[in-house]
Amino acid sequence: ETGVTQTPRHLVMGMTNKKSLKCEQHLGHNAMYWYKQSAKKPLELMFVYNFKEQTENNSVPSRFSPECPNSSHLFLHLHTLQPEDSALYLCASSHSGLAAKNIQYFGAGTRLSVL
Amino acid sequence: AQSVTQLGSHVSVSEGALVLLRCNYSSSVPPYLFWYVQYPNQGLQLLLKYTTGATLVKGINGFEAEFKKSETSFHLTKPSAHMSDAAEYFCAVIDSGTYKYIFGTGTRLKVLA
Repeated sequence: ETGVTQTPRHLVMGMTNKKSLKCEQHLGHNAMYWYKQSAKKPLELMFVYNFKEQTENNSVPSRFSPECPNSSHLFLHLHTLQPEDSALYLCASSHSGLAAKNIQYFGAGTRLSVL
Repeated sequence: AQSVTQLGSHVSVSEGALVLLRCNYSSSVPPYLFWYVQYPNQGLQLLLKYTTGATLVKGINGFEAEFKKSETSFHLTKPSAHMSDAAEYFCAVIDSGTYKYIFGTGTRLKVLA
């Protein structure tokens, strides 16, 4: 148990569906992250939030829409996805600021399959 | 910009044998380096980290890594492999400008009985 909880753990959706991934952290952190993990590729950072403000968007397609209502919760809203979006989506959290403190703690991920 | 290279996407060792997973980085400034482990169907768990100070870093589950600036390496070792060590291992460096993590492509460790 890392203190970062992701739901659901598995999700299957069609290309026309709309779904949301949820992440919750109980570590008192103020930075939260979404990563995409695909087979045989490095982890891809998608979004970063610091103190509820989005500070990073790594050219992610608009069919992925993040939301951070508070420092403990992070959502990833999905719509009109493509089959190549099938992957493991990982949420992480950390303290903001100094790199030495920026140790990221990860959730177990949501395994997404787009049909 | 920093980068991380993990040599060998798959490594197999016998139970009880030495584990050596290689990681090389490129950085123009002193790096912050990490090893994470990912067990099947789980997220990434921090094994150990190097920020400053002692270059030999001990982590959980008997793993350790040594920061060698001259070789720009941060290899992960464990003297004796257990079956439970079978997992994927990721090396990462923090980009000194953006504070973002840069991950390697991972090494999948298989432990043979």
